[in-house]
Amino acid sequence: AQSVTQLDSHVSVSEGTPVLLRCNYSSSYSPSLFWYVQHPNKGLQLLLKYTSAATLVKGINGFEAEFKKSETSFHLTKPSAHMSDAAEYFCVVSAPTGGGNKLTFGTGTQLKVEL
Amino acid sequence: DSGVTQTPKHLITATGQRVTLRCSPRSGDLSVYWYQQSLDQGLQFLIQYYNGEERAKGNILERFSAQQFPDLHSELNLSSLELGDSALYFCASSVVGTANTEAFFGQGTRLTVV
Repeated sequence: AQSVTQLDSHVSVSEGTPVLLRCNYSSSYSPSLFWYVQHPNKGLQLLLKYTSAATLVKGINGFEAEFKKSETSFHLTKPSAHMSDAAEYFCVVSAPTGGGNKLTFGTGTQLKVEL
Repeated sequence: DSGVTQTPKHLITATGQRVTLRCSPRSGDLSVYWYQQSLDQGLQFLIQYYNGEERAKGNILERFSAQQFPDLHSELNLSSLELGDSALYFCASSVVGTANTEAFFGQGTRLTVV
């Protein structure tokens, strides 16, 4: 079984300051991990993915995440927040189930960016 | 634009009714997933299809059913609707539907049951 815990339901930062969104995972398999972003009234957009290659993964819009197996973490960071980053972010673990595959979503972190 | 198309975007219907949500995957993608997003449950996996066959099942109610057609589009049928079925329903597609392949999501269908 797999699960994801997003440690903060809300994060507020000032524009131009770093962003850190925390995620811990649990998986019976070697995990594939993703971050998705959801802007208001929009679908889910893939930010980045980890699939057992490099542990530091770069994504779109300046986001990156580091896979740390010893800490079972996959935190999302960005050096400098922009107003357009305000959205809900989901950490996702993907693992085989039955004959197929299942994406398990965290509960989401709402990112607020202030001037 | 993810390339995944869902119709309709919005749907309002009465309790007890039946609705069909449609999803067209990205060109070349063989696998389709359905998810339900509600305020109290978050994003819940419903079902996955691969090349027309059901591959994985999640928390899908017996009143709900889905299928994937030979042209790879998928439909989610929701029947005997209840107020609690009001939610945003997402379809996603991926190339092969394995754990290490990313899924691309549509814009969702917002279902309101009144």
